[in-house]
Amino acid sequence: DAGITQSPRHKVTETGTPVTLRCHQTENHRYMYWYRQDPGHGLRLIHYSYGVKDTDKGEVSDGYSVSRSKTEDFLLTLESATSSQTSVYFCAATSQIHSRPNTGELFFGEGSRLTVL
Amino acid sequence: AQKVTQAQTEISVVEKEDVTLDCVYETRDTTYYLFWYKQPPSGELVFLIRRNSFDEQNEISGRYSWNFQKSTSSFNFTITASQVVDSAVYFCALSEENTGNQFYFGTGTSLTVIP
Repeated sequence: DAGITQSPRHKVTETGTPVTLRCHQTENHRYMYWYRQDPGHGLRLIHYSYGVKDTDKGEVSDGYSVSRSKTEDFLLTLESATSSQTSVYFCAATSQIHSRPNTGELFFGEGSRLTVL
Repeated sequence: AQKVTQAQTEISVVEKEDVTLDCVYETRDTTYYLFWYKQPPSGELVFLIRRNSFDEQNEISGRYSWNFQKSTSSFNFTITASQVVDSAVYFCALSEENTGNQFYFGTGTSLTVIP
């Protein structure tokens, strides 16, 4: 158990509605990530955080914002959901980045399936 | 440009056959890390292996083996004597030491093992 939980696990919403997905971790990981998974695209990084209040954009950040006010929570917000944001969203976390001899693997949450009608 | 390429979108094998999943990566860093993850039909992502760029030793874990070749920028994954439980989507990923804290994933290979 990697101690990463996502909520909600499933959500159906309408276009134009704001949506917030929550990622909660209990392992005090410093780094947290939001990915989306779509057929043919694999996992694509939306935003990531390298500490409390420190966040940066990934390759598909348009239409998304994030916040990290405390170590254990990383929120992903869709200000105005669109049908193109229908996807499965994964949160991930790790503690060890680029520390020889190993960089830590990512631990993933269970995923949140979002459908935007 | 895609940093991690998994050219095989879908593979089907009959149970007990061996199968190799290809992963080709692109980086200018001299220090980097490669990973394989498994996503079974239940949807969770399961870590399988990590390999450092300065450790080219191949690894075997039961029926699983990994072949890391820096000369061809490849990190291939072989399943020997495949089983139905190996049916899943497999992702290869790259993390580079000098380009921040990101992990780059390939598009995945969907493996179906037919009983």
